[in-house]
Amino acid sequence: DAKTTQPNSMESNEEEPVHLPCNHSTISGTDYIHWYRQLPSQGPEYVIHGLTSNVNNRMASLAIAEDRKSSTLILHRATLRDAAVYYCGDQINFGNEKLTFGTGTRLTIIP
Amino acid sequence: EPEVTQTPSHQVTQMGQEVILRCVPISNHLYFYWYRQILGQKVEFLVSFYNNEISEKSEIFDDQFSVERPDGSNFTLKIRSTKLEDSAMYFCASSRAGVDYGYTFGSGTRLTVV
Repeated sequence: DAKTTQPNSMESNEEEPVHLPCNHSTISGTDYIHWYRQLPSQGPEYVIHGLTSNVNNRMASLAIAEDRKSSTLILHRATLRDAAVYYCGDQINFGNEKLTFGTGTRLTIIP
Repeated sequence: EPEVTQTPSHQVTQMGQEVILRCVPISNHLYFYWYRQILGQKVEFLVSFYNNEISEKSEIFDDQFSVERPDGSNFTLKIRSTKLEDSAMYFCASSRAGVDYGYTFGSGTRLTVV
């Protein structure tokens, strides 16, 4: 099974950038890297995903290391609404078969 | 924005009873999934389903579990004989074909086995 590890928790000040790290120790060359976030009492919400290149969307940016063994989710300007548990994960690249999540990082935003 | 709908939101059942958790995926999605989350733990993959058959399943998904897409809109997870350790949040998700899209998750069903 894929093994992705994340710090248990992080804190950031409101309106400052946040860099959330993830280690993808068993990722294969064709697996996609995904990031989701989960608010209390809700299901995971898609944030961003990519394969090799850095990716940007309206929610965040994803930086992927050259060897793909690590990735970083970047929230450019944190708001209180960004407080959540953030999960990275590896998705097998054959028919969307299996996305395995990491242990999750609880992000606290300090006003 | 399209949603994945799960019912019921909370189900309490006695140990040994059968339960069926229901999901309505997004209509133009082709891949369907069940995940579970034990209280305080991470989200764990159970099973993926495509073209009316299971495409991948985890070690958790043993013979007590089954999935079905009975009518082209619903996607169900059945647990035949529930155990105390089956108590968890169960999330349904769906995605479009291809790897260019993320997954959309429902709000979950909290299953409590007593």
